[in-house]
Amino acid sequence: NAGVTQTPKFQVLKTGQSMTLQCAQDMNHEYMSWYRQDPGMGLRLIHYSVGAGITDQGEVPNGYNVSRSTTEDFPLRLLSAAPSQTSVYFCASSSRLAGGASNEQFFGPGTRLTVL
Amino acid sequence: RKEVEQDPGPFNVPEGATVAFNCTYSNSASQSFFWYRQDCRKEPKLLMSVYSSGNEDGRFTAQLNRASQYISLLIRDSKLSDSATYLCVVTGDSGNTPLVFGKGTRLSVIA
Repeated sequence: NAGVTQTPKFQVLKTGQSMTLQCAQDMNHEYMSWYRQDPGMGLRLIHYSVGAGITDQGEVPNGYNVSRSTTEDFPLRLLSAAPSQTSVYFCASSSRLAGGASNEQFFGPGTRLTVL
Repeated sequence: RKEVEQDPGPFNVPEGATVAFNCTYSNSASQSFFWYRQDCRKEPKLLMSVYSSGNEDGRFTAQLNRASQYISLLIRDSKLSDSATYLCVVTGDSGNTPLVFGKGTRLSVIA
């Protein structure tokens, strides 16, 4: 199993450009999430999904869109890039415990995004 | 009160030392608890789950105190390779809520 894969690994954008960060998992996990990580801020949840066709906002959703048309894929779209979106982006997936809560999360290797 | 709070450190300890990290969480209905490790410029990886009865994995021991909403991680006989950031992670109280991560505690083990 490849686990959680993310592309690209590095990206430089100009202010106002749009792009999509790709995330895929091959573990048949129900839950998928996108985080951004900035120095001193820890991981902050952007959007998450508890299954195909279902998405919800996290702590910092503004400026980002997601979709979950399949169990495997959870792309993150930056609508109009801003310098404040310069960060490291991690995608994660997890299975669902019997009580409904999330099991341990598996992370992708991250995408390092710079917006000029 | 923040959902998951950790001492950010850094903890600078000599090789062979024992070091303990603490974490408090605010949601009394949380169901599952984990410790993750994150190396510099890498993704977080699961170190160990935390069970109500406490659990041990080699040099690592995790404890949970539900009454005090407190989780701990003890590392014995620290190695240089233990240098990393340790993240305390708590689940929500039901389905449809994602994991909540603490900001992490940085550990540097010094020769």
